[in-house]
Amino acid sequence: DAGVTQSPTHLIKTRGQQVTLRCSPKSGHDTVSWYQQALGQGPQFIFQYYEEEERQRGNFPDRFSGHQFPNYSSELNVNALLLGDSALYLCASSYWESSLYGYTFGSGTRLTVV
Amino acid sequence: KQEVTQIPAALSVPEGENLVLNCSFTDSAIYNLQWFRQDPGKGLTSLLLIQSSQREQTSGRLNASLDKSSGRSTLYIAASQPGDSATYLCAPNSGYSTLTFGKGTMLLVSP
Repeated sequence: DAGVTQSPTHLIKTRGQQVTLRCSPKSGHDTVSWYQQALGQGPQFIFQYYEEEERQRGNFPDRFSGHQFPNYSSELNVNALLLGDSALYLCASSYWESSLYGYTFGSGTRLTVV
Repeated sequence: KQEVTQIPAALSVPEGENLVLNCSFTDSAIYNLQWFRQDPGKGLTSLLLIQSSQREQTSGRLNASLDKSSGRSTLYIAASQPGDSATYLCAPNSGYSTLTFGKGTMLLVSP
């Protein structure tokens, strides 16, 4: 049973560019959440998708956007990259209808903005 | 707004010691709480999930307790090993919303 899969694992971009990160949830999960983790900090919630709609959003600017596809996979897009966007981006999947089973995280995408 | 504090921020111990990692949270209206382990530069691995109705959950050398009313959880690690070296994060879940994380406890177990 595959867990959460994220791609790519590492990415280097230049300031002002745009980037797309991808996530495939654990089999059976229908909800995907994205987190940003700066060095030495805990993960910060970006947004959550269920039924192809953004359900919750953290304190992140509109440069951060996302999408969920009918197969529950998700993308995170960041426009006009800033040096401060350099971080580990984590995807987590879960069941929307039940909190009994917790969240499963992927291995993350390390984004470096130069 | 949920806030999470983990104490200590860092811990360095010799192999074989029993450890206690503490987690406190401000909003006690939670469904459950998860403990995660994170190796440097890697993703989060779920260690234990405690439902709000439970007091304890055990997995191998790990035992987590939850006192929901006081907003506290504790992770006990018995007979620590060098392979336990990692950052440990706790995350209360308030339902359909999101997990909230603290900065974690960085653990180093030396041989």
